[in-house]
Amino acid sequence: QKEVEQNSGPLSVPEGAIASLNCTYSDRGSQSFFWYRQYSGKSPELIMSIYSNGDKEDGRFTAQLNKASQYVSLLIRDSQPSDSATYLCAASYNTDKLIFGTGTRLQVFP
Amino acid sequence: EPEVTQTPSHQVTQMGQEVILRCVPISNHLYFYWYRQILGQKVEFLVSFYNNEISEKSEIFDDQFSVERPDGSNFTLKIRSTKLEDSAMYFCASSGDTYREQFFGPGTRLTVL
Repeated sequence: QKEVEQNSGPLSVPEGAIASLNCTYSDRGSQSFFWYRQYSGKSPELIMSIYSNGDKEDGRFTAQLNKASQYVSLLIRDSQPSDSATYLCAASYNTDKLIFGTGTRLQVFP
Repeated sequence: EPEVTQTPSHQVTQMGQEVILRCVPISNHLYFYWYRQILGQKVEFLVSFYNNEISEKSEIFDDQFSVERPDGSNFTLKIRSTKLEDSAMYFCASSGDTYREQFFGPGTRLTVL
């Protein structure tokens, strides 16, 4: 059973801080990893994709992938109250089917 | 910016009735998907569709479910005889390349009474 695991949170950080969100996956055959943001009652919104080991930066967001440790993370710099949402980690394993984690709820307080 | 659209936003139906959920994927995308999310639970894959046929389906996607691309723009999910446990948010997604980024529509909330 292929799994993607996330701490459900909530993760609370003050405005302006760095939020660090983590995800592990069970299958070493996984190839592609995605971070989605989901506001309550809304659909997943793609933030970042990452396919190879190392870091990938896009604005305030940095995704990190470590395939040896089967670990993916998302860093959000200068966190804003508008970043408060559930962050979903997803992986694909040799197909385009996405396996989602349960999500980590992030709360950014002023 | 191109986006996936879905109709209706909310569908209420009686158990045993048929429902059709509609999606318009991003116009130049070739890969289409349906996912669902039961309240408070994970997003779950249902089916992927490419070149007018199903490329993969999950255990959830049983004989009660079907998908169709009836014309060049729409992509539909049909549930033949709805059950109470089919109540969920149903998301359509599309991708320009396989194994690549999937963009989700706003979802249809299906309530089965």
